[in-house]
Amino acid sequence: DIVLTQSPESLPVSLGEAATINCKSSQSILYSANNKNYLAWYQHRPGQPPKLLIYWASTRQSGVPDRFAGSGSGTDFTLTISSLQAEDVALYYCQQYYNTPYTFGQGTQLEIK
Amino acid sequence: EVRLEESGGAWVQPGESLRLSCAASGFTFDDYAIHWVRQAPGKGLEYVSGIDYNGENTYYGKSVKGRFTISRDTSKNTVSLQMGSLRDEDMAVYYCVRGSTIAVKYNYFDVWGSGTLVTVSS
Repeated sequence: DIVLTQSPESLPVSLGEAATINCKSSQSILYSANNKNYLAWYQHRPGQPPKLLIYWASTRQSGVPDRFAGSGSGTDFTLTISSLQAEDVALYYCQQYYNTPYTFGQGTQLEIK
Repeated sequence: EVRLEESGGAWVQPGESLRLSCAASGFTFDDYAIHWVRQAPGKGLEYVSGIDYNGENTYYGKSVKGRFTISRDTSKNTVSLQMGSLRDEDMAVYYCVRGSTIAVKYNYFDVWGSGTLVTVSS
């Protein structure tokens, strides 16, 4: 199984500052035939279901604010929130869909400093 | 509105069975794979099972293979998850999620239901 390791586990950030979450895969999830990275990011607020933010490592889902950006390729990926808003407090997960079983990172808790 | 609504969550004892249902609305059901993802108390997200657009192909996570069975009824726009031989570690919120393709593989999950709680305890 592909293991995704997120860092840090907890991230305190001041409002208006940038937040960066990392996701490292145990193997490359870049499919050479289409040059796509099979990685998604989700936001999970308390009491709500997870919400898709980013897919193909860097494509923002419709309706997601442009302060959310995904980057990376191969085995190393990053989710960046350019200017933290109060409503961004949540758990964030990466997920690979390169291979089954689908696997998720362990999650990163983003909080206000 | 695109929507997935789970039902069937309950409290059961270890070894018992339970059937979860997921009702889809607001989109063309036959165009998408449907999956189940769960979150145990204090834990992260875990993939459980998925079924392709016409029900011919399914996939199960290792922890549930042989105990759970997924199926879909295209006439009713529903997906079911029959859970057997339930264990303490199956206790979780179970989310029904829409896959990004018709196939069971290569999916990210773009629509999530609100979840249904399964409690396994003696």
